[in-house]
Amino acid sequence: DAGITQSPRHKVTETGTPVTLRCHQTENHRYMYWYRQDPGHGLRLIHYSYGVKDTDKGEVSDGYSVSRSKTEDFLLTLESATSSQTSVYFCAISGPGLNSRQETQYFGPGTRLLVL
Amino acid sequence: AQKITQTQPGMFVQEKEAVTLDCTYDTSDPSYGLFWYKQPSSGEMIFLIYQGSYDQQNATEGRYSLNFQKARKSANLVISASQLGDSAMYFCAMREMNTGFQKLVFGTGTRLLVSP
Repeated sequence: DAGITQSPRHKVTETGTPVTLRCHQTENHRYMYWYRQDPGHGLRLIHYSYGVKDTDKGEVSDGYSVSRSKTEDFLLTLESATSSQTSVYFCAISGPGLNSRQETQYFGPGTRLLVL
Repeated sequence: AQKITQTQPGMFVQEKEAVTLDCTYDTSDPSYGLFWYKQPSSGEMIFLIYQGSYDQQNATEGRYSLNFQKARKSANLVISASQLGDSAMYFCAMREMNTGFQKLVFGTGTRLLVSP
């Protein structure tokens, strides 16, 4: 299994508070991603990173920011949490595989966030 | 337009039988990859199988095979000899190599229930 951890695994917070989720990898992979999973939508990409300090927006980036100061850590911040950000958040990593075109994404265990 | 369509919200199969989970995709990029992930009730996302658009043969991984019909833009997952542990959500995903960088686009998933 790819060495990916997420913290916290569960969080309950109130509307308007800032929240930071952490993704940590031990695989030294270049690419890291944040997704959210909601019923009826599958997984949707929030932000991704292609290197230290190199990040870009995904499909549903409004209300989220990210930072990557080290290869192993990718932080997702909700500046002012809203109820619509209640979701399950997954971090993923990818790097050169046996077939560099494949570059499978491997996922962390997820973080359940409830915004009241 | 939906890039990945999974039309079966739920599927039922008896243990030891084979089952096909449907996935159709939409892209104008000639180079793309198709992925299937399994999400058991515990919540983690598990990579199952990959098919590249230029791959000559259908991908197989143990009991999983991918029925890739390029002209129809379909990439159905076939699970042979179903087991109780196959009960889970299954997601199809696509990566467009030339236009999508490292982004995976997911379908909404199919819930498979395997009965004894």
